[in-house]
Amino acid sequence: DARVTQTPRHKVTEMGQEVTMRCQPILGHNTVFWYRQTMMQGLELLAYFRNRAPLDDSGMPKDRFSAEMPDATLATLKIQPSEPRDSAVYFCASGMGVGGTDTQYFGPGTRLTVL
Amino acid sequence: AQSVTQLGSHVSVSEGALVLLRCNYSSSVPPYLFWYVQYPNQGLQLLLKYTTGATLVKGINGFEAEFKKSETSFHLTKPSAHMSDAAEYFCAVSNSGNTPLVFGKGTRLSVIA
Repeated sequence: DARVTQTPRHKVTEMGQEVTMRCQPILGHNTVFWYRQTMMQGLELLAYFRNRAPLDDSGMPKDRFSAEMPDATLATLKIQPSEPRDSAVYFCASGMGVGGTDTQYFGPGTRLTVL
Repeated sequence: AQSVTQLGSHVSVSEGALVLLRCNYSSSVPPYLFWYVQYPNQGLQLLLKYTTGATLVKGINGFEAEFKKSETSFHLTKPSAHMSDAAEYFCAVSNSGNTPLVFGKGTRLSVIA
């Protein structure tokens, strides 16, 4: 049963610290999305990649957030420095990139708390 | 730009009763529409999706939704609620299956015994 995996599942850190979240997409999927879920804003797109190239990162605060895909099996989302307002659940999703019939499969999320 | 409105942040039904969760969308292009379910402390799981073709879409766990272009709606229904249906439900729209999803705010479904 292929699944998207995310690590860590929970992270508590102090303001100003660097946070790195990792995502392993389903093998063979070439599209990776990062979404953030908060009570106030709901689910919103941060960035997404296809074939490891960033297609849209307009949802990310550029001064502190960065997203990369070092290889096809790993996507990372970094926050430096972290702030309390970054507290949220961060979801990674992957898809095959085949077009209209594609489905995005979500990981379990990383719950981030910034004190 | 695309957007989704889910009417009712919280819906409560009795076990065995009809479930109706409302979703209206806005899109300047033919929409692809999705319903996802989220159980506590878990990720989102796809219930069903509309891409093209038949407007009545059947999904997992007995859920179905009907795409009504004239009403810009994609409401989710289930004839008989089960306790295990209690969760958060999200409606989403996109340009296609492999482009970013725009989500509604979600509807929390409670099922009363």
